[in-house]
Amino acid sequence: IAGITQAPTSQILAAGRRMTLRCTQDMRHNAMYWYRQDLGLGLRLIHYSNTAGTTGKGEVPDGYSVSRANTDDFPLTLASAVPSQTSVYFCASSDSFAGSAYNEQFFGPGTRLTVL
Amino acid sequence: GQNIDQPTEMTATEGAIVQINCTYQTSGFNGLFWYQQHAGEAPTFLSYNVLDGLEEKGRFSSFLSRSKGYSYLLLKELQMKDSASYLCAVRGGGSYIPTFGRGTSLIVHP
Repeated sequence: IAGITQAPTSQILAAGRRMTLRCTQDMRHNAMYWYRQDLGLGLRLIHYSNTAGTTGKGEVPDGYSVSRANTDDFPLTLASAVPSQTSVYFCASSDSFAGSAYNEQFFGPGTRLTVL
Repeated sequence: GQNIDQPTEMTATEGAIVQINCTYQTSGFNGLFWYQQHAGEAPTFLSYNVLDGLEEKGRFSSFLSRSKGYSYLLLKELQMKDSASYLCAVRGGGSYIPTFGRGTSLIVHP
């Protein structure tokens, strides 16, 4: 693994089903993030984690949950998918969360999710 | 929160120079990022500004004026491969997580 990976690449899901999007990074970054990207709306933060064992809510957290059991993995779960969750989901990581350093974010390739 | 504004779309000619503007409103400004995103791909980091002035990196430069809440990304010697979306992201409001603007789609034509 080099960088940050996501799985699956794409998924079509029936409404009401449960779905977990996987994200793994091998850069030993402390901070990880989940964004959704919708046409005309840009990237919006769903949840984030500044270190293993801690998570926080972003701008659009409703209907999503996350966990951070270790440094490398940050799965995103849709407990009961709805059509409005159709989007492209990007996972990202950065070296640290707090402080004055600029901490560029590294993004995974994305998961294209369609909820019917 | 932050209010970030960028033009939706711009077109330019191969070999030319283009300037993509970003204006923002935030309290406690703590940095501005530019990312490039090709269609169907992930965003990739281009530049970071936290102090006023120009940061140059090859064909790309980024400028910041904190007093005006204004930044621009300057792309010189445009190439067809520069056709992409350019995302402005601002960090402030007490959070170290940047908020992204809606992005500017740049189309470079021959």
